[in-house]
Amino acid sequence: EVQLVESGGGLVQPGRSLKLSCAASGFTFSNYYMAWVRQAPKKGLEWVATISTSGSRTYYPDSVKGRFTISRDNAKSSLYLQMNSLKSEDTATYYCARAQSMVTHRGFAYWGQGTLVTVSS
Amino acid sequence: DVVMTQTPVSLSVSLGGQTSISCRSSQSLVHSDGNTYLYWYLQKPGQSPQLLIYKVSNRFSGVPDRFSGSGSGTDFTLKISRVEPEDLGVYYCYQGTHYPYTFGAGTKLELK
Repeated sequence: EVQLVESGGGLVQPGRSLKLSCAASGFTFSNYYMAWVRQAPKKGLEWVATISTSGSRTYYPDSVKGRFTISRDNAKSSLYLQMNSLKSEDTATYYCARAQSMVTHRGFAYWGQGTLVTVSS
Repeated sequence: DVVMTQTPVSLSVSLGGQTSISCRSSQSLVHSDGNTYLYWYLQKPGQSPQLLIYKVSNRFSGVPDRFSGSGSGTDFTLKISRVEPEDLGVYYCYQGTHYPYTFGAGTKLELK
């Protein structure tokens, strides 16, 4: 069974940093692209970042580019999101998501339960 | 960025009934590799999103055949037949063809 468990969320002041983690199990982690998707309170979904299987390629929307960094440790089956220069608009539940398949990496088939990040002074 | 426009914003449906959700993209979702990366997700209350349909019309593993997707280019539809209580929640369309990937604003399905 595919499992994705996020951790690392919490309350952080504007301008500070936070690092999220996602522990994966139930599949061969190194074979799949991975992603982070967020959801502001009572709002819709926003794609945040995607990383290739080896970690050599990363993709971001302009809203987080230059502030957020996605990374992975295939030996530990873990995904990370380093978030710097946090803003109030980054307040959201952050979901770790696995690509649909080893071939199709542009959609997400499995999602974690999410971790809440609150940016406030 | 590709804008995904979902209609309606909310739907009221009777159990056992049928309904559909429309999703239109601001540009064609046909990728240069020939695939159309249009997905449908359902987020039930208090839960994470779950994949229903991938690449326009393919049901994901375990998704009942009451759900069907169709469309092409910029115009897509999710149909739900024989609505059951567990179908309630917010439905999102999503495009993975163009960066940045984008979601529709969601359609809330409620019981009549």
